[in-house]
Amino acid sequence: GENVGLHLPTLSVQEGDNSIINCAYSNSASDYFIWYKQESGKGPQFIIDIRSNMDKRQGQRVTVLLNKTVKHLSLQIAATQPGDSAVYFCAEIPTGNQFYFGTGTSLTVIP
Amino acid sequence: GAVVSQHPSRVICKSGTSVKIECRSLDFQATTMFWYRQFPKKSLMLMATSNEGSKATYEQGVEKDKFLINHASLTLSTLTVTSAHPEDSSFYICSATKPDRPYEQYFGPGTRLTVT
Repeated sequence: GENVGLHLPTLSVQEGDNSIINCAYSNSASDYFIWYKQESGKGPQFIIDIRSNMDKRQGQRVTVLLNKTVKHLSLQIAATQPGDSAVYFCAEIPTGNQFYFGTGTSLTVIP
Repeated sequence: GAVVSQHPSRVICKSGTSVKIECRSLDFQATTMFWYRQFPKKSLMLMATSNEGSKATYEQGVEKDKFLINHASLTLSTLTVTSAHPEDSSFYICSATKPDRPYEQYFGPGTRLTVT
């Protein structure tokens, strides 16, 4: 499969601070990227996506940045809340509907 | 909406028995369903891709005779773990895509399988 990996396996942030979760991908031809949130014992939930023709996309409290030059993806969470504690995965979709998931980053929010 | 359910959510079975996990798209017809396996603190590992009415496509290293997949309708796919062993214990997650949005996978809540 494709090599989609994360730089930091764990991340702890203080409630109210901003969180940044990083992801590296290997296929420069990938067209589509998605960030998922997975709470303990549950399936992944879609957070935000971005296509390769974009550098930045914003959602509610979340922003995804794509740097195609260095094949890097990041997820920024503003004003992190305890409910944001979860494992976050990036997924790379090179072609069709085949997904390749990164290893995941466990985010812990400290109240 | 796009809701995917799985049943059961948890199952414990004895070594040597078989167990079936169901994946249903509740409010849409799913052209493609995917089965993933996830170990603790690890990422999702794609096991197979299933299209309605055709044989599933298994990823390299996944035993098709061990993990039987049946996609009998546009809203139901089943994964049967045959002759289960303790090493098959894992979290199994399915996902489904809509015909008009093949890039978006909607995930089920997962099934925790424990083989004793």
